[in-house]
Amino acid sequence: AQTVTQSQPEMSVQEAETVTLSCTYDTSENNYYLFWYKQPPSRQMILVIRQEAYKQQNATENRFSVNFQKAAKSFSLKISDSQLGDTAMYFCATRSYNTDKLIFGTGTRLQVFP
Amino acid sequence: NAGVTQTPKFRILKIGQSMTLQCTQDMNHNYMYWYRQDPGMGLKLIYYSVGAGITDKGEVPNGYNVSRSTTEDFPLRLELAAPSQTSVYFCASSEGQYNTGELFFGEGSRLTVL
Repeated sequence: AQTVTQSQPEMSVQEAETVTLSCTYDTSENNYYLFWYKQPPSRQMILVIRQEAYKQQNATENRFSVNFQKAAKSFSLKISDSQLGDTAMYFCATRSYNTDKLIFGTGTRLQVFP
Repeated sequence: NAGVTQTPKFRILKIGQSMTLQCTQDMNHNYMYWYRQDPGMGLKLIYYSVGAGITDKGEVPNGYNVSRSTTEDFPLRLELAAPSQTSVYFCASSEGQYNTGELFFGEGSRLTVL
């Protein structure tokens, strides 16, 4: 079974600073995806970044990047130059190539202060 | 560009009532999902479908039923509503695990059972 653990219920960061959100996961699969989703107060689930486990290079999307450590089963999200609009819940999730289900962690609430 | 559409967005039910949450997608995705999100928590999978005529249970299926008669529609039925079913419900769809793996979400339906 796949599990995802986010050990930081809440984080805060000042505008323009950098923050890192932690995520660890457990899976017996070799091929899988990892995702970070953002859920702002509007409740919409928005994909932030995606990583395929077979790729060694860390994914980046503008100010968002990940530190993917496959052996340690760790998948942290770094947000650079934080903006007020980054205030949201952030969910780490994983999906195996061999299953149809996306499994979520419990989320980290990020507050960006001016 | 509608994507995944859920109705209703808000609903209040009395204990013991029944209702159906509607979900439709216009992306011709084979995979569809229903998740529930309790306050301050992550998303739990209720049911999912890998194609028309095929459904399967997720992590928390009790008290719910689904059907998938067309590729586009995946309604979620609540029978004999209970206060424990007060939650926000998300429908999602996906091309499949061998593509991007990404799930596309609707805007959510907030259900309160009193």
